[in-house]
Amino acid sequence: DIQMTQSPSTLSAFVGDRVTITCRASQSINDWLAWYQQKPGKAPKLVVYKASNLESGVPSRFSGSGSGTQFTLTITSLQPEDFATYYCQQYSTYSGTFGQGTKVEI
Amino acid sequence: EVQLVESGGGLVQPGGSLRLSCAASGFTVTSRYMSWVRQVPGKGLEWVSVIYGSGGTFHADSLKGRFTMSRDIYKNTVSLQMNNLRADDTAVYYCARGRAAGRDGIDCWGQGTLVTVSS
Repeated sequence: DIQMTQSPSTLSAFVGDRVTITCRASQSINDWLAWYQQKPGKAPKLVVYKASNLESGVPSRFSGSGSGTQFTLTITSLQPEDFATYYCQQYSTYSGTFGQGTKVEI
Repeated sequence: EVQLVESGGGLVQPGGSLRLSCAASGFTVTSRYMSWVRQVPGKGLEWVSVIYGSGGTFHADSLKGRFTMSRDIYKNTVSLQMNNLRADDTAVYYCARGRAAGRDGIDCWGQGTLVTVSS
């Protein structure tokens, strides 16, 4: 199975900061990667698909990059509503493995 | 409007069985892949199973054949049959829809249904 490792596990930031979350795959997944945002008590929400494609309705301050085994999610100018937990997910293989999550806190 | 509504969760004893259902509206379950994803309260997301638009199904190896995902194209529903349940199966189970019939991200999630395995 492909393992997905996110870093950091927790990230403390201020409103207006630029933040970057990293996701590493245990083997190449090309660009078959998605990023999700989850707030407490809610279902996850798709932010980025195919590594760098912004889902419709997601603010342009979010961006994704990477291919192969290294990926990043960047949020420029963090907003109060962006404080949440973010997960990466590979879908290169049938098993859509998730990373362990990165909590972005104030 | 695209919507996924799960049902069937609840309290079950260890070793018991439970069947979760997910009613889809606003699209057909054959047009997109469908998945089940679970989350232990306070923990991360865990992929459970997938059924592609073609009908092919796959399940997490860690489940050791205890769970089976299926779909009813006439009722436009997907289901998850869970057998020989264990305490570590306790989680919120989400029904989810892929952006496409094949490999892609998940663009729609249900509200989740809580499964509690306890005596």
